[in-house]
Amino acid sequence: GAGVSQSPSNKVTEKGKDVELRCDPISGHTALYWYRQSLGQGLEFLIYFQGNSAPDKSGLPSDRFSAERTGGSVSTLTIQRTQQEDSAVYLCASSLRPQSSYEQYFGPGTRLTVT
Amino acid sequence: GENVEQHPSTLSVQEGDSAVIKCTYSDSASNYFPWYKQELGKRPQLIIDIRSNVGEKKDQRIAVTLNKTAKHFSLHITETQPEDSAVYFCAASRRSNDYKLSFGAGTTVTVRA
Repeated sequence: GAGVSQSPSNKVTEKGKDVELRCDPISGHTALYWYRQSLGQGLEFLIYFQGNSAPDKSGLPSDRFSAERTGGSVSTLTIQRTQQEDSAVYLCASSLRPQSSYEQYFGPGTRLTVT
Repeated sequence: GENVEQHPSTLSVQEGDSAVIKCTYSDSASNYFPWYKQELGKRPQLIIDIRSNVGEKKDQRIAVTLNKTAKHFSLHITETQPEDSAVYFCAASRRSNDYKLSFGAGTTVTVRA
């Protein structure tokens, strides 16, 4: 079946502009995670959605970052007033039921470049 | 929070030799440890994982060992092949926080033909 998809694959934006990144998880997966991968670095947890529960936002680096998940499926990560340090690959992952299924399936990522 | 350290950052091996990557973690409550492989320009993919009630797990040429007392775990790749060249990430998580992954910084493995 279809895997996790993300759009756009690449985004170049000017400093100070807002951007929206989209994630389509695998159908039926209740858990959705956003991670950020800076150049040469590991993946940094940003935010987690599970079903209809309130999201875990503990990894968001500043209040310029926000995310929502509509209808328990598609998620949008929004970065307001982008800064150069926001340049990174933003990865989305989903899993079936986090309490019983561990594997997270990753999307291809969105490469964000802030000029 | 959890802190995962991964060594080495780069590893070059001759084809056919073994490769070992080591990770340590700080949160004694962590109980799930996956390893992801990321080829250049591609998404991370799970290659093997281990739970805290198991000390070792093997899948063909790949094995993972876990030492809960010392809070470290390792990935072993035997008989390396050129297609094993990639960045490998270890991660740690626990059931009580729905398996949010804390990743190591990654190891770039290059297999020389």
